[in-house]
Amino acid sequence: EPEVTQTPSHQVTQMGQEVILRCVPISNHLYFYWYRQILGQKVEFLVSFYNNEISEKSEIFDDQFSVERPDGSNFTLKIRSTKLEDSAMYFCASSATSGRFIIGELFFGEGSRLTVL
Amino acid sequence: QKEVEQNSGPLSVPEGAIASLNCTYSDRGSQSFFWYRQYSGKSPELIMSIYSNGDKEDGRFTAQLNKASQYVSLLIRDSQPSDSATYLCAVKRNLMGSNFGNEKLTFGTGTRLTIIP
Repeated sequence: EPEVTQTPSHQVTQMGQEVILRCVPISNHLYFYWYRQILGQKVEFLVSFYNNEISEKSEIFDDQFSVERPDGSNFTLKIRSTKLEDSAMYFCASSATSGRFIIGELFFGEGSRLTVL
Repeated sequence: QKEVEQNSGPLSVPEGAIASLNCTYSDRGSQSFFWYRQYSGKSPELIMSIYSNGDKEDGRFTAQLNKASQYVSLLIRDSQPSDSATYLCAVKRNLMGSNFGNEKLTFGTGTRLTIIP
């Protein structure tokens, strides 16, 4: 069964450092998302992405965050200068599309746990 | 008012019984509704989606939607120990097959379900 894959599974970083989280969406999916879940809290939307541009973003997704599709398969989330409160599980997700229509539900990757010290 | 509300539990149900999980939402513009299951430390896994009022059954799972009451529920029949997990209710403004926009999922905090053997 096709799946969304994420790397790394766990990253520990010092406050102020840059972090890049990587995702390979399901191969025929073109609509991508990042969500995060702080330990013990709810899953929160960060950003959605289609056709090399951001489709929607939340208030959490400030100037410290950026997303990119550097090649035909990877989708990355960059945090420029990490803060303690960025410690969370980050989930990548993707949906199938047909033209400009979402035609499938959203499927999550296994997540990347970020710990900021 | 929370956007998506769920009883956090824990909800304990004997094996073989019916587990009933409830969710209310505040945005009357919501059109798509989802139940995800999340095991501890893992990513959300889609188990049901529902888009119109009424019941939708899939195996042991039944989702119920009442848009007038802004209420979604999930019934799990013949509960198994493997059903022990946190169940996340999520809503979206956009309807499957619509143009892009308003694709973000808004999650509740989840209900922790424990099935007692």
